Amino acid sequence: DTEVTQTPKHLVMGMTNKKSLKCEQHMGHRAMYWYKQKAKKPPELMFVYSYEKLSINESVPSRFSPECPNSSLLNLHLHALQPEDSALYLCASSQEGPVAGNTDTQYFGPGTRLTVL
Amino acid sequence: EDQVTQSPEALRLQEGESSSLNCSYTVSGLRGLFWYRQDPGKGPEFLFTLYSAGEEKEKERLKATLTKKESFLHITAPKPEDSATYLCAVQGNRDDKIIFGKGTRLHILP
Repeated sequence: DTEVTQTPKHLVMGMTNKKSLKCEQHMGHRAMYWYKQKAKKPPELMFVYSYEKLSINESVPSRFSPECPNSSLLNLHLHALQPEDSALYLCASSQEGPVAGNTDTQYFGPGTRLTVL
Repeated sequence: EDQVTQSPEALRLQEGESSSLNCSYTVSGLRGLFWYRQDPGKGPEFLFTLYSAGEEKEKERLKATLTKKESFLHITAPKPEDSATYLCAVQGNRDDKIIFGKGTRLHILP
């Protein structure tokens, strides 16, 4: 089973709201990722957690705050977003994560379509 | 700098008309090349990982091949349900991240 689940599927929020995106995997993977994808563009990496520790932060604005409560769960807390943050947010997981010399296939969830008004 | 270029940007084929999608890459020490399929508004679906030049992998109507400079995704006798965006990505030794190409939008006409 290579399933990554994400909730909610769709989210509409105002610029003053606080919301969270959730991601879950039960494949025993030790690395989890957040990506942002705009229409007709490839996914852009935001954060990587490896063994529940934040290992990569791609200079993402602080209005996005990731959290990894355990190796199966990944959250993305949203606060004071801008309309340009509207996008498809993708979660992915992989066996080991960004370990030097490792080749690690990432498996993606279905995404959360976020609209910021 | 690691780079991935996919061509063509878009491709329209008749059902049953075989073709190939190209992924050219420049990377410092290839660790892996990945192919994904993405339907509109959904997450990328993993297809293949290729590790070294000469390697080939197949799945139903799809076959991926790899050389030292590029990868091809061959689609044999495609059906309308094969319509999607196909993404190529690479992972090199310089960086632990994967670099995505912009994708090829494939449309199969019935």
